[in-house]
Parts: sequence; C-alpha cells; structure tokens
Amino acid sequence: KAGVTQTPRYLIKTRGQQVTLSCSPISGHRSVSWYQQTPGQGLQFLFEYFSETQRNKGNFPGRFSGRQFSNSRSEMNVSTLELGDSALYLCASSWRRQGEQYFGPGTRLTVT
Amino acid sequence: QQQVKQSPQSLIVQKGGISIINCAYENTAFDYFPWYQQFPGKGPALLIAIRPDVSEKKEGRFTISFNKSAKQFSLHIMDSQPGDSATYFCAASNYGGSQGNLIFGKGTKLSVKP
Repeated sequence: KAGVTQTPRYLIKTRGQQVTLSCSPISGHRSVSWYQQTPGQGLQFLFEYFSETQRNKGNFPGRFSGRQFSNSRSEMNVSTLELGDSALYLCASSWRRQGEQYFGPGTRLTVT
Repeated sequence: QQQVKQSPQSLIVQKGGISIINCAYENTAFDYFPWYQQFPGKGPALLIAIRPDVSEKKEGRFTISFNKSAKQFSLHIMDSQPGDSATYFCAASNYGGSQGNLIFGKGTKLSVKP
C-alpha cells in the first residue's frame, strides 16, 4: 500500500505571498492531520480533517487554513507568508479519527 | 497541562548498548502514547505505541514502559545499532476525548557509535 504523499516536497516563497500544500493519505484513510515542524518549536498540530470537516484546530493564526476533499485528499493554505512560516509541513493520515497516524515526507517551505 | 516533556535532548550510545528516552506528561486525560522515529529529510515513522491499560509493550528491540501513577513513559532500545541513529519523538493524545491530534515532545537525537 502506498504511503502518505505530499506535494511539492520543496518550496521557496517570498514574504507576503500565499502557498498551497497538498496531501494524499494512505488509501482507505479518512482522517488527515497537519503539523508544522521547526527546530525551535518542534512538532506542532495545525488542524485535523475528517469527512471533509475540520474537527480540531491548533493554536495558529487564521492565515493558516485547510480543506479536505471527498476522496480524503487534503490541502493546506498559508496566506500572507511571514519569515517565521519557514518550516517542514507534515501531513499524517489515519483510517479513523482516533487511530494510528502515519506521516508523509513533508513539504519543506522556505520564506525569503 | 498540554505539554509532553522529553529527555534527554541528545544521547550517545555504544553499539550493542541500551538507549533509554524518557517522557513525562501532566494531562491525565491522555490515553494514547506513541513513539516516532525520524531520519533526516524524512517524516516521522510510527515505531510503537501504548495505551494506559498496560505497563509495558515490546516490539522487537523496542520496548515502551508506562507508569500511569508517575505520568511517565519511556522508550528502551535494546542492542542499539548505528542504523538506529535518528531523532525520536514521544507523543500523547486524548483519543477518548474525541481529539485526533498528537502532542509531541521536543525530540531526542540518538547517535549510536560503532
């Protein structure tokens, strides 16, 4: 079974721009969660989607948003990028909401 | 109350030795405790997980010990190998409270010397 895939793997954006990251969960998995990983803050939860609905949200500003499609694929969007948004953005999928979470390789976002 | 504290920050172990990483939590509602292994340039990989109704779980060379009264849990890697050199993260979640998110420790960078 294929793992979680994330595209693109690397991205360089300029401050003030917006960005959209994509995540395809493991086949059959219906829950998708997003995490931000930085050297200073570690792994921090962004949001969780299940059945196309946001079920849980972490402590991030409204510039961070996401959505989930009927095929469980998910996207996250960051608007008005700031230098501090430079991070590895990880997507994790699970077959149910309270299940084992499997991570993708991440998207490395650099904001200049 | 939402924090998971992990120690040590870094660990150097000789090949064949035992690596021990510890985590502590405050929120007694946590009911799921996984450990993840992350290699440079990769996403975290689920290693082993435990629920609070058992005190120990073993999978191959990896063992989780769980102490509910002390609100602590630890990962033991037996017969550590250079290939185990990676960053390890403990995590916790309140799955019983219908929360789907993991709260992670800050990570432990393990180096196994040949």
